[in-house]
Amino acid sequence: QSALTQEGSVSGTVGQKVTLSCTGSTNNIGSYTVGWYQQISHGAPKTVMFGNSLPSGIPDRFSASKSGTTASLTISGLQAEDEGDYYCSTWDSSLSGVVFGGGTKLIVL
Amino acid sequence: QVHLVQSGGGVVQPGRSLRLSCAASGFTFSDYAMYWVRQAPGKGLEWVTHVSLDGTYEYYADSVKGRFTISRDNSKNTLYLQMNGLRPEDTAVYYCARVSERYTSSSVGALGFWGQGTMVTVSS
Repeated sequence: QSALTQEGSVSGTVGQKVTLSCTGSTNNIGSYTVGWYQQISHGAPKTVMFGNSLPSGIPDRFSASKSGTTASLTISGLQAEDEGDYYCSTWDSSLSGVVFGGGTKLIVL
Repeated sequence: QVHLVQSGGGVVQPGRSLRLSCAASGFTFSDYAMYWVRQAPGKGLEWVTHVSLDGTYEYYADSVKGRFTISRDNSKNTLYLQMNGLRPEDTAVYYCARVSERYTSSSVGALGFWGQGTMVTVSS
């Protein structure tokens, strides 16, 4: 069981806005920066957001936010190429380690 | 442009050892913490270990503590993972990764760049 909880799957149509969530505790999300990663067809993960920062080359339809112990990744104007698995991670001070969410499968209808 | 190029991996019998390498370029290697993350077949991502900028501090998941050792050679811009006493449950794709931001302890769990991954299969 992951320390961070993500939806199993989320679906949306092209052009729609979707939000993925990552829920933790004060020991992790509540205190540390969250990273978000996209994994397409079991390839290497790619970082799409860390904190509120957009890495170079990532389209600005990706954004992130955090409220208390829940972090969110929002994709505005969903594209077919956004379909894949999305993971969140952060530091957990009680475990003294990096924790990942179980991942959300994003389906573009 | 940041590049993390991995080497090593393969098929190994239970109890044997293997060493993975990760050659970094495109950034000042000694300014960033470095990580190993793995993904078992059909499963999610799992943090394995990470090392501080100068190699002074190492952190390990309980599942590999005492068996795996992370190290770095800042003169060669290379990260290593020495895996001893391998078990079938260590079978996974192993990724090296760089922390997202330097000098920021609050970002220690947010990774910025990833290697291409290398498969490790532990089987008799």
